[in-house]
Amino acid sequence: EPEVTQTPSHQVTQMGQEVILRCVPISNHLYFYWYRQILGQKVEFLVSFYNNEISEKSEIFDDQFSVERPDGSNFTLKIRSTKLEDSAMYFCASRATGGNSPLHFGNGTRLTVT
Amino acid sequence: AQSVTQLDSHVSVSEGTPVLLRCNYSSSYSPSLFWYVQHPNKGLQLLLKYTSAATLVKGINGFEAEFKKSETSFHLTKPSAHMSDAAEYFCVVSDPRSFQKLVFGTGTRLLVSP
Repeated sequence: EPEVTQTPSHQVTQMGQEVILRCVPISNHLYFYWYRQILGQKVEFLVSFYNNEISEKSEIFDDQFSVERPDGSNFTLKIRSTKLEDSAMYFCASRATGGNSPLHFGNGTRLTVT
Repeated sequence: AQSVTQLDSHVSVSEGTPVLLRCNYSSSYSPSLFWYVQHPNKGLQLLLKYTSAATLVKGINGFEAEFKKSETSFHLTKPSAHMSDAAEYFCVVSDPRSFQKLVFGTGTRLLVSP
């Protein structure tokens, strides 16, 4: 069964550094998402992406965050200048067309900002 | 706005006994509801989904859930727990107006003892 893959599985970075989290969505999917889960808290929506542009973003997704689909397969989340509170598990998801298609999640990238 | 409430943060059962994980939803629209499972250090796996077809939905690994509009509930059940069912379970509602953005509950940790 096709899967969403995320790399790296763990990333440790220093405060103020830039990080790029990478995702390869399922190949025929057209809708892409990033969610995050701070330790002990809810899974939270960050951003959705369709047709090469952001379709919706949450208030968490401020100017420090950006997403890109640089080629036909990758979908990246960049955090420009990381803060301690960015430490979380970041999940990428994708879904096919069709209003009831479920989201398929990757295994996540655990980001630790020191 | 869409929301879900998971009534129990932890549920403990013995292996071979029934499982009940409770979820109530709030939605201004006809909702799509999901249960996702997260095993330790793993991603979010779709267990089952309700999308306005049959109210009793069967999922993977013997789980099922019943959509009850009158009670605004979508409880997850399994007749007989297995040790491998120990995980975090999330009840999720999607917002059809927002590219199926998902709104997660706070999660229920299922503990299974021998």
